[in-house]
This record gives sequence, C-alpha cells and structure tokens, in this order.
Amino acid sequence: QQPVQSPQAVILREGEDAVINCSSSKALYSVHWYRQKHGEAPVFLMILLKGGEQKGHEKISASFNEKKQQSSLYLTASQLSYSGTYFCGTSMVTSGTYKYIFGTGTRLKVLA
Amino acid sequence: GAVVSQHPSRVICKSGTSVKIECRSLDFQATTMFWYRQFPKKSLMLMATSNEGSKATYEQGVEKDKFLINHASLTLSTLTVTSAHPEDSSFYICSAMNLAGIGTHYEQYFGPGTRLTVT
Repeated sequence: QQPVQSPQAVILREGEDAVINCSSSKALYSVHWYRQKHGEAPVFLMILLKGGEQKGHEKISASFNEKKQQSSLYLTASQLSYSGTYFCGTSMVTSGTYKYIFGTGTRLKVLA
Repeated sequence: GAVVSQHPSRVICKSGTSVKIECRSLDFQATTMFWYRQFPKKSLMLMATSNEGSKATYEQGVEKDKFLINHASLTLSTLTVTSAHPEDSSFYICSAMNLAGIGTHYEQYFGPGTRLTVT
C-alpha cells in the first residue's frame, strides 16, 4: 500500500542531476512531493493531479504518468541546499476512512 | 501558507509516565489531523487519523490505549503517549488538512514535530 521510492539513497556533486521515482501498485488520486531536513517537518514542494501532468520549474520539476501509478521528481543542477530526504505522499480512502500516507523516502546528499 | 504549531518541540520523560503532545492549526480550521511517527532514517508512518468530534481511526498495529488521541475542536488535536517506554522514543509529527480541501487538491500543513525521548 505504501508507495515505493527509488533509489533509496543518492549522492551527487553540486551541479549534477538526479531523478527520484515514486511507484504505486494502484492508481493514485494525486501525488505530492516533500523535502525533509534532519529533525524538521517535511516541506511541501508540489502536487500533481492529472495523468500525464508535468510541472515545476527549471531546477525542480515532477511528472505523473498516464496511469497515475508512477511519479518522478527531477532535480537539475543540484545545489547543496537540495540535500535532505524526499518523500512522495498520497491520499487514499480505506474502509471509508480518508488517510494520507508517505512513500518509503529517498535520501539525497549533495557534495561540494 | 497556513500554520500548524506543535508543543512541546522536545520532551524527555521517565519510563512509565505519560506525555501529551498538542497540535494546533493557528489560522484555519482543520476537520482532519493526522499523527505520524518517524524513526531515524525512516519514512513517516501514519499512526492515526483524527477527526474533530469523533473517535480517531488508528492504523493497524497502533495501540489505541497507548496512544490516546483527542480532537476536541477544529483547531486542536492532542496525542497522549501513556505509560511511555524507551521504545516509544521517536519523532512525532502532526499535520492538518484545511476544511476546504476535502475532495479537492489540497495541501497538508505540518507541525514542526516533537522529539520524544523516554529514559
């Protein structure tokens, strides 16, 4: 049920690119992306709602595939400030209860 | 954006005591609040969904008698860890959902988290 992210961890040099994937066995209503710094709450990055959607800006963008089972987060020309753990999140209704869950997470470290 | 506060930010307690964590939405009404627990280098695991005026819905494996949740108003939810033990030590985070967001694209607003250490 929990979305699976890949890779689990990645190390980059400043200026390099990274792609983080979030996969679900079922179609998602929407997908959110967050970045979490150590000891802090997650910070919202963006939301995708529609299959085939792409959004974001030059540096950080994301896509949602047509079947709405996979989303990817693209980090371009990474900066030191991009270091942290990235989570995708999604809402679902289970047994009539609305809930919100996170993916397994991807730890990203950018080196100077 | 909307602000959610969480208190306390850090707490150290002795084994066997109870600890209450408050989650407040400061500038919006939240019919639904979520409580998460996060172990080091792990994802945020949903513990329970808290709905104002009704009983919380707990996730499988979460003891409702140990983690008491009360959502008495549209701006306040509390999590009480009863008879805490060292294995309850963790980072606890709440989030609140805007009333207008239900059924539409919404944004969750997170509290800053509470670091609980049980000695």
